[in-house]
Order: sequence, then C-alpha cells, then structure tokens
Amino acid sequence: SQTIHQWPATLVQPVGSPLSLECTVEGTSNPNLYWYRQAAGRGLQLLFYSVGIGQISSEVPQNLSASRPQDRQFILSSKKLLLSDSGFYLCAWQTGSRNTIYFGEGSWLTVV
Amino acid sequence: AQSVSQHNHHVILSEAASLELGCNYSYGGTVNLFWYVQYPGQHLQLLLKYFSGDPLVKGIKGFEAEFIKSKFSFNLRKPSVQWSDTAEYFCAVNSGAGSYQLTFGKGTKLSVIP
Repeated sequence: SQTIHQWPATLVQPVGSPLSLECTVEGTSNPNLYWYRQAAGRGLQLLFYSVGIGQISSEVPQNLSASRPQDRQFILSSKKLLLSDSGFYLCAWQTGSRNTIYFGEGSWLTVV
Repeated sequence: AQSVSQHNHHVILSEAASLELGCNYSYGGTVNLFWYVQYPGQHLQLLLKYFSGDPLVKGIKGFEAEFIKSKFSFNLRKPSVQWSDTAEYFCAVNSGAGSYQLTFGKGTKLSVIP
C-alpha cells in the first residue's frame, strides 16, 4: 500500500532563517505531488504541485520554493523565512485518473 | 476560478443529534467532490468522494453526502453524531480530469458534546 511521510513534524525557526520540509511517498511511481498550507481560518491553499521530476508549478507568489529531485520526493524550501510563513504545511500525493488526493501528517511551522 | 463555500465555521452538537454541513462550489462544469476530515492531532483523511453515478455517496463512519448539481451543493450528513466525530471537516472540489488543483473550503469545526 502507498504511504506518505513528511518531516519535521514541528519546526520553530527565527525570521530570516532557511527552511526545508521534506516529503516522500512510497508504494507508487510517478505520483503527482503537492504542497498545501493550512492557515488558521483560511482553509487549505495549494502552494505547489509537480507532475514529474524537476517539474514544479507554483499556484501563488510567495517566499517559498519547491523542488522534486526524485520521483517520490518533494521538498519545500525558503531562503529567508517571514513571520507570515507560519502555518501548517501538508504534502499530498495523487496517482491515476481518479483524482483523489491523499495527505501526509503535516508539519507545523512557527516563525518567531 | 472555482471556489468552495462552507457555510458554518463552527458547529456544536450534542451526541445523537443529526448533522448536516453545507458545501457549495462555483464551477459549472464536471466536478469531482470530496469531504476530508481532520481529527484533533491527526492528519487530513478522505471521508468520502463523488466522481459520477449515484449522487448520494456513503463514506466511512456513517457519513454520507448528496451531490445536487442544480444547487452546486455537496452537503455532508450523519444521522447521529458521536463524541468521536469531533473534528474539522473540509469540502473540496476538483474540476475533473486534467486539473491538478483541488480547491478547499475554509473548513467547519464540529464539536460534539457528550
């Protein structure tokens, strides 16, 4: 069966520091991969999606970037964090034509 | 662009009460519809989904949802809630095959009082 893991689960970082959140999927090949952010009272917002290695699409302009160095690895990064980057970040995967998206456990980021 | 509206931000019910959470979307074409649930301290999980066919879909834990195309709605229901249903519920819409964006509502927090 397929599994998805993301880490770290919680992170407290000072303003201006870099960020790296990592996500890996097991049990499937060539998945679509996603990064979402869940901000309090604002629901889930799609940040990036990837349909293949090295292919990244950004949905909203922001202080973050994403990379997909391997088929089942998706990384969310920032060179300099802002206070507004605080939130709950979710990695997700999707395969086939059924369009169901499955989520990882999430990572809590607090920028101080 | 498609959007999803969940009418209630916070719903408080007593155990055994019936539940209906509203969800409306704004896309006029073919849609795939989802309800996700996030229990306290846990990750987001799929509750149920609709792609085509019978507009009344049944999910896990006794939940069901009805797709009413004319009303652009996909309301979530459960006849008798339990304390363990306390969670945040998200409605989501994907505008059919070929679209990578799953648009979420802002979520409805459900608190069930024992």
